[in-house]
Amino acid sequence: QITLKESGPTLVKPTQTLTLTCTFSGFSLNTRGVGVAWIRQPPGKALEWLVHIYWDNDKRYSPSLKNRLTITKDTSKNQVVLTMTNMDPVDTATYYCAHSRGIVGDIMFDSWGQGTLVTVSS
Amino acid sequence: AIQMTQSPSSLSASVGDRVTLTCRASQDIRNGLGWYQQKPGKAPKLLIFAASSLQSGVPSRFSGSGSGTDFTLTISSLQPEDFATYYCLQVYNYPCTFGQGTKLEIK
Repeated sequence: QITLKESGPTLVKPTQTLTLTCTFSGFSLNTRGVGVAWIRQPPGKALEWLVHIYWDNDKRYSPSLKNRLTITKDTSKNQVVLTMTNMDPVDTATYYCAHSRGIVGDIMFDSWGQGTLVTVSS
Repeated sequence: AIQMTQSPSSLSASVGDRVTLTCRASQDIRNGLGWYQQKPGKAPKLLIFAASSLQSGVPSRFSGSGSGTDFTLTISSLQPEDFATYYCLQVYNYPCTFGQGTKLEIK
């Protein structure tokens, strides 16, 4: 059974850096074809794909946020870490991590964490 | 980035109805499309991948079709637990992009 859980601060101030950790079980990020993505959802709005890291350490970023995002993995701890710099109130959202199978063209996000709401406010 | 447009934005229907939701891509994405269901306060759930493949454990009343730019999600007979918001997601190339969602409500 695959499980994922996001953790990190619930409140950050504008201009601060957000660090979120996705801790997972039931799979290995050393397995070919496996990845973890971060996806967010502002309150009442649609989902937005942010970034993806694959078993081979390939990383793909949203072009609109590329300069602010960093994703890393620690396979020994079964964790993926997202950092987002220069936070702004428009970044207020629920942040999800999700397990993926396949590569671009054939990706499926088949297991998701429960999400963590991050509010950006002074 | 590829734009995904879902229609309608909202839909009222009754238990037992057959409903069809539509997703259109701004360019050819072959069959690189998934459908996700989201209930309030919950994470999205994968229903369909590769445009028409049913995810394991998802009821057979859900089906997907289409390729290229036009895709549909059909629910053959609505059940009370199907009232939710549905999102399409293109995974043909990066950045992956979601549609804006279709909210399915009880009539």
